[in-house]
Amino acid sequence: GQNIDQPTEMTATEGAIVQINCTYQTSGFNGLFWYQQHAGEAPTFLSYNVLDGLEEKGRFSSFLSRSKGYSYLLLKELQMKDSASYLCAVRDMRNNNDMRFGAGTRLTVKP
Amino acid sequence: DSGVTQTPKHLITATGQRVTLRCSPRSGDLSVYWYQQSLDQGLQFLIQYYNGEERAKGNILERFSAQQFPDLHSELNLSSLELGDSALYFCASSPRGGGTGELFFGEGSRLTVL
Repeated sequence: GQNIDQPTEMTATEGAIVQINCTYQTSGFNGLFWYQQHAGEAPTFLSYNVLDGLEEKGRFSSFLSRSKGYSYLLLKELQMKDSASYLCAVRDMRNNNDMRFGAGTRLTVKP
Repeated sequence: DSGVTQTPKHLITATGQRVTLRCSPRSGDLSVYWYQQSLDQGLQFLIQYYNGEERAKGNILERFSAQQFPDLHSELNLSSLELGDSALYFCASSPRGGGTGELFFGEGSRLTVL
């Protein structure tokens, strides 16, 4: 099976930088995804990593180390609207590329 | 708007009843995924279909079943409902090939079992 772990909650200040970590265990790794989900709404895709390294997309960056089973999502210049849950998900080629999610990290951005 | 359509948006029913949730994927997407999200919980993978065939199964209860029809829409059937089945049920679709293969989620069907 897959174990995907991420912190339950984080708090940061508007304008600051926050890093949300995710660790995973799978022998059929085929990509790691980050999604943003505002309360009661659908998750929306933020980023994708399949090779080691950093992917940058505006204020958001995501990093992957496959050997360590580790990823992080970096959010810069935080805005109040960034208050949401951030979901780490892993695609598993052993199970027909299904996608399993971590429990999510609830980020609160304070003024 | 992700292009994935789910109905109904809200549903209230009683224990022991049966409901059907419907999902239409984005135009051209062959894969459909179903997830359950209970209050303040993560997304629990239920089942995946590809072009009408079941591809992967997650933590789906025996009281639950799903199928994908030739027109690619999918239905999730929940029977003998219990209080604990109250949750948001999300459907997602994924592009056929190329790109990152990220999931596009519908707005969800919120089920309340009383």
